[in-house]
Amino acid sequence: AQRVTQPEKLLSVFKGAPVELKCNYSYSGSPELFWYVQYSRQRLQLLLRHISRESIKGFTADLNKGETSFHLKKPFAQEEDSAMYYCALSRGDFSSNTGKLIFGQGTTLQVKP
Amino acid sequence: DTGVSQDPRHKITKRGQNVTFRCDPISEHNRLYWYRQTLGQGPEFLTYFQNEAQLEKSRLLSDRFSAERPKGSFSTLEIQRTEQGDSAMYLCASSLELQFYSNEQFFGPGTRLTVL
Repeated sequence: AQRVTQPEKLLSVFKGAPVELKCNYSYSGSPELFWYVQYSRQRLQLLLRHISRESIKGFTADLNKGETSFHLKKPFAQEEDSAMYYCALSRGDFSSNTGKLIFGQGTTLQVKP
Repeated sequence: DTGVSQDPRHKITKRGQNVTFRCDPISEHNRLYWYRQTLGQGPEFLTYFQNEAQLEKSRLLSDRFSAERPKGSFSTLEIQRTEQGDSAMYLCASSLELQFYSNEQFFGPGTRLTVL
């Protein structure tokens, strides 16, 4: 079964501290992994995807197939990073890929001044 | 085009009543998804449309739930004989199908349903 696990419901750090939001997944094939973010009073939006291998707002995430993880990292947290973060998985095989997302429970990141 | 829109934003109903939600996706997007989110949980997939065809439904979608996307544009999600357990945020998302991998899904603001 496909599953995404985010072990921390809340992560609280001080401004300037490093951040790591954990995400582990369970999937038998080749997955596509995403991080979505929801800022206060805003809609859910894509932060980054593993295929792009880019850094968005200073965040990076590396897909580790051996550990089935896709942790989100940022070296220096900013107050504006405070938000709810969701890790999500989609099937990577195009032939059966509807694009539907399987989400984790989410982690609230709180960056204190 | 201001993105995905959903109507209404809030709905309060009594148990046993029927409710219908509407989603207007981004105009050129051929894929449309419905998700449900309860407090403290991530969104859960309900159903998927490619153009007007409903190609996948979750087992979460009981017989009381029905979704349509006539003409491949807007979509409606109807819940019949609502139960208190249906109380949740209902999210709609749309995307453009790409050939080799999943494209970004754009989410609407959601419709919050409260069943009394």
